[in-house]
Amino acid sequence: GQQLNQSPQSMFIQEGEDVSMNCTSSSIFNTWLWYKQDPGEGPVLLIALYKAGELTSNGRLTAQFGITRKDSFLNISASIPSDVGIYFCAGRGNQGGKLIFGQGTELSVKP
Amino acid sequence: NAGVMQNPRHLVRRRGQEARLRCSPMKGHSHVYWYRQLPEEGLKFMVYLQKENIIDESGMPKERFSAEFPKEGPSILRIQQVVRGDSAAYFCASSSRSSQGTDTQYFGPGTRLTVL
Repeated sequence: GQQLNQSPQSMFIQEGEDVSMNCTSSSIFNTWLWYKQDPGEGPVLLIALYKAGELTSNGRLTAQFGITRKDSFLNISASIPSDVGIYFCAGRGNQGGKLIFGQGTELSVKP
Repeated sequence: NAGVMQNPRHLVRRRGQEARLRCSPMKGHSHVYWYRQLPEEGLKFMVYLQKENIIDESGMPKERFSAEFPKEGPSILRIQQVVRGDSAAYFCASSSRSSQGTDTQYFGPGTRLTVL
């Protein structure tokens, strides 16, 4: 079945630093989504990507849909304490609506 | 706020009891998805439903688990004869397929099931 590898598993950074995380797939995806999850809450959509090569920004967040359709990255610029949480990538292949999730990247920001 | 609603937020059951989890999709959404999340892990797909139809149940355990999305009312995920391994967070997501084929899923706050 389709699998996603997300890295790094965790990050400890200083406030103001930039952050980068990525996901790679063993097969092609048609959609890439990036979510953030706070403790005890559901995932909140950050960025959605629908076309290979697409680069999309949402405030300090930028994500790209890899040209091979097997990878995506998320960058966060000038991190702030409220960026703390777990970030998940999710992809959808040609098997319909279900999303395949990465294992998550836990971000800690030191003030 | 017309977001995805789930209830209850927390559910405690003893082994052998039944658990019923409810999900009301966002207004205008007719596609519902259920996912399960174990501690320290990502979400795992369980089932995809449209009104009165199961579209994809490839992630559902073969026994004890069932899901429905009736014409009226919320989607229900039902777990019969719960076991300790069923303890997890269960998330519902909804979407509205656009004419371009995009399908962005928005998640509810989840139901945390604890089996004693």
